[in-house]
Amino acid sequence: SQQGEEDPQALSIQEGENATMNCSYKTSINNLQWYRQNSGRGLVHLILIRSNEREKHSGRLRVTLDTSKKSSSLLITASRAADTASYFCAAKTNRLAFGKGNQVVVIP
Amino acid sequence: DAGVIQSPRHEVTEMGQEVTLRCKPISGHDYLFWYRQTMMRGLELLIYFNNNVPIDDSGMPEDRFSAKMPNASFSTLKIQPSEPRDSAVYFCASSLTAPGPLNTGELFFGEGSRLTVL
Repeated sequence: SQQGEEDPQALSIQEGENATMNCSYKTSINNLQWYRQNSGRGLVHLILIRSNEREKHSGRLRVTLDTSKKSSSLLITASRAADTASYFCAAKTNRLAFGKGNQVVVIP
Repeated sequence: DAGVIQSPRHEVTEMGQEVTLRCKPISGHDYLFWYRQTMMRGLELLIYFNNNVPIDDSGMPEDRFSAKMPNASFSTLKIQPSEPRDSAVYFCASSLTAPGPLNTGELFFGEGSRLTVL
């Protein structure tokens, strides 16, 4: 069964704005990962947060993890047109289970 | 390294035909995964290998699907006979670390094989 479930499903923003997407999962995890998929391409790993971490930054990305609520959020600051993609969370237990993805469109 | 290489990128075939998808993982990666992506079901894990041995094939939909990994640098996913509902994008991914609880499990994906069964 799918572990990660993203919310919202689709997001359209202006360039320069921040984009926030959320993910929930059902069981205890080892880590939670976020991936990006550009149209017609494979998934690319963005950032990983371990279960004992609460927040992590990488460039314009900020991810948070709330294990009590079994949820995570990904924030992309100062969005660019090139950030237009689908974003997937993946909950890591003994395997990696992906959500169905958030479609983000950044309008120039 | 060139990354995970999949072929073909696109395949259009007729119902009942055999389809073979190919994957070359990143050199040195000892885990290989096959995923299927559809709009309805998202990304589904079909099977994964460790050191060329199938570990978990519980995601393989039915007997029409089979996967092999004859050596560390090559894997195939075969569908025989193919059906229209098999239409999807099939991804291969490899990993250097084990998918167990102590490892990160970061995956490196290929560009996918888009299969259309008419």
